[in-house]
Amino acid sequence: DQQVKQNSPSLSVQEGRISILNCDYTNSMFDYFLWYKKYPAEGPTFLISISSIKDKNEDGRFTVFLNKSAKHLSLHIVPSQPGDSAVYFCAASEEGAQKLVFGQGTRLTINP
Amino acid sequence: DTEVTQTPKHLVMGMTNKKSLKCEQHMGHRAMYWYKQKAKKPPELMFVYSYEKLSINESVPSRFSPECPNSSLLNLHLHALQPEDSALYLCASSHQTRGTVADTQYFGPGTRLTVL
Repeated sequence: DQQVKQNSPSLSVQEGRISILNCDYTNSMFDYFLWYKKYPAEGPTFLISISSIKDKNEDGRFTVFLNKSAKHLSLHIVPSQPGDSAVYFCAASEEGAQKLVFGQGTRLTINP
Repeated sequence: DTEVTQTPKHLVMGMTNKKSLKCEQHMGHRAMYWYKQKAKKPPELMFVYSYEKLSINESVPSRFSPECPNSSLLNLHLHALQPEDSALYLCASSHQTRGTVADTQYFGPGTRLTVL
């Protein structure tokens, strides 16, 4: 049973436009959500996180939105840049659990 | 500074070899993790150490043996591996806050392991 789902395996966006990556979850006990960016053969790099007490968190070009009623979160990148091309993983954890549950990842390609 | 370092970067070993992967962090984090990642898949949790004690073993085969010598170091000892164990092995660390680890994990660059 996949508790965190990223239904789009890939996404292609033009440079300068907005990239929107989506993530759905099923476990209502999740209370902390993270986005990681990963280049090939490297470790995931932490991008941004959000606690379940918030519905939005912003850091520079990156904004994460959380809709608890829909069990959905999204990552907005604006403006998109070529260096943003990577695989993006959504992850979630519940309080007291020492585990991150990852989605399957979305490969983002930014076209010039 | 959010750096986790891992050595070696690449490792090729035979099925009868014994080798070790090393991970180090100096962020004062008290939780450290080993993950395994196959191509086009998300990281899979293997082990969690909390305050230098093993707190989670995700039913990992005994040919993988973790060790946490101190709060900054984490090792993964490998023995009699199989070709299907070839993968990227990632170390991560996070703060340990009041018994919860619902916080950010910072990953190292990984060790690319090939088992022949």
